[in-house]
Amino acid sequence: QSALTQPPSASGSPGQSVTISCTGTSSDVGGYNYVSWYQRYPGKAPKLMIFEVSKRPSGVPDRFSGSKSGNTASLTVSGLQAEDEAHYYCGSYAGINNPFVFGAGTEVTVL
Amino acid sequence: ELQLVESGGGLVQPGGSLRLSCAASGFTFSNYFMHWVRQVPGKGLVWVARIKIDGSGIRYADSVRGRFTISRDNAKNTLYLQMNSLRDDDTAVYYCTRDGAFTLDLWGQGTMVTVSS
Repeated sequence: QSALTQPPSASGSPGQSVTISCTGTSSDVGGYNYVSWYQRYPGKAPKLMIFEVSKRPSGVPDRFSGSKSGNTASLTVSGLQAEDEAHYYCGSYAGINNPFVFGAGTEVTVL
Repeated sequence: ELQLVESGGGLVQPGGSLRLSCAASGFTFSNYFMHWVRQVPGKGLVWVARIKIDGSGIRYADSVRGRFTISRDNAKNTLYLQMNSLRDDDTAVYYCTRDGAFTLDLWGQGTMVTVSS
């Protein structure tokens, strides 16, 4: 069982928005503003899409946005495109003894 | 191009050993903390180990402490994970990742480790 809870799947039609939740505890998501989101295509390296809750690395489209409320973080993909079909994982800093915890991933399908 | 490339995975019997390597390129390897993260197929990501810039500050997940050893060679831009006393539940894809200050900002494609008799 993963430390962070994500829905196993989410879907939307092209142009629509999809939001993925990521629920942790006050020891991880709720305790630090260091939530990150990763996109992974099969057989490829995970790619950082969001860091520090809502910041986008250079090159990531602004269709991707992140937020947090309490112990739950969210990733929203607006204006869905076919290329957004992938697995998305959330992660959070969780302190010096067990630095990072992750979710089990959400498979996003573009209908 | 920023890149991390893992190697060394494979099939090993329970109780056996493997050493994973991760070759870094496109950035100054010696400036970054590095981590290993693993994923059982179909399951979530799990943090395994961390090493600081100079090889100090090593930390392990409880599940691997005493069996796995993380190390690095900054002259060779390479991260290692020595895995001993392997168990069935160590079967996973192992990822090498770069620490971008409380965020793992660069990942390799992973190397598959299968522990089975």
